[in-house]
Amino acid sequence: AQTVTQSQPEMSVQEAETVTLSCTYDTSENNYYLFWYKQPPSRQMILVIRQEAYKQQNATENRFSVNFQKAAKSFSLKISDSQLGDTAMYFCAFQGGKLIFGQGTELSVKP
Amino acid sequence: DVKVTQSSRYLVKRTGEKVFLECVQDMDHENMFWYRQDPGLGLRLIYFSYDVKMKEKGDIPEGYSVSREKKERFSLILESASTNQTSMYLCASSLGGQGGGFSYEQYFGPGTRLTVT
Repeated sequence: AQTVTQSQPEMSVQEAETVTLSCTYDTSENNYYLFWYKQPPSRQMILVIRQEAYKQQNATENRFSVNFQKAAKSFSLKISDSQLGDTAMYFCAFQGGKLIFGQGTELSVKP
Repeated sequence: DVKVTQSSRYLVKRTGEKVFLECVQDMDHENMFWYRQDPGLGLRLIYFSYDVKMKEKGDIPEGYSVSREKKERFSLILESASTNQTSMYLCASSLGGQGGGFSYEQYFGPGTRLTVT
């Protein structure tokens, strides 16, 4: 069965610092997509970044970037220059057949 | 901008009641989804639909049913609510048809926090 694991239930970071959220997954497939979604407190979930497994280059969206290690089945999210608005629950998700979500990491950005 | 709306933000129902959760999207998306979100478990797929009147079971369909009579509307039905169905329910939509839709970005509604007493 395909699984997604986020081993950090909670993390905190000082404003303007860099933080990395971890995600590992298990699959026997070769072609798939990986996502990071952000759920701010009392607000709707939105897509942060998407990675296609056949692309070796790591995806980047402004202050958000990923470290995709296909052989290790690892997909971490790096947030640079953390801002107070980055405080949210972050979910890693794997798309093989259906979309499978990890347990989530609650990130607090402290002033 | 894509907009996904859900009929209620908060809902309190009694055990045994029939509960309807409604979701509407305005972007002509083919795919619509219902998830359940519980602390420590992430999001789990209940049902999804890739076309009008089409539905597929997700990972936890037991105790739920769905209806999609119009492309923009996807309803989740709890036939006889139980306390273990107390949870946050999220609706989402995306582009894509049968089988191929999960690689597209999903757009989520604000969620309905359901409490069954």
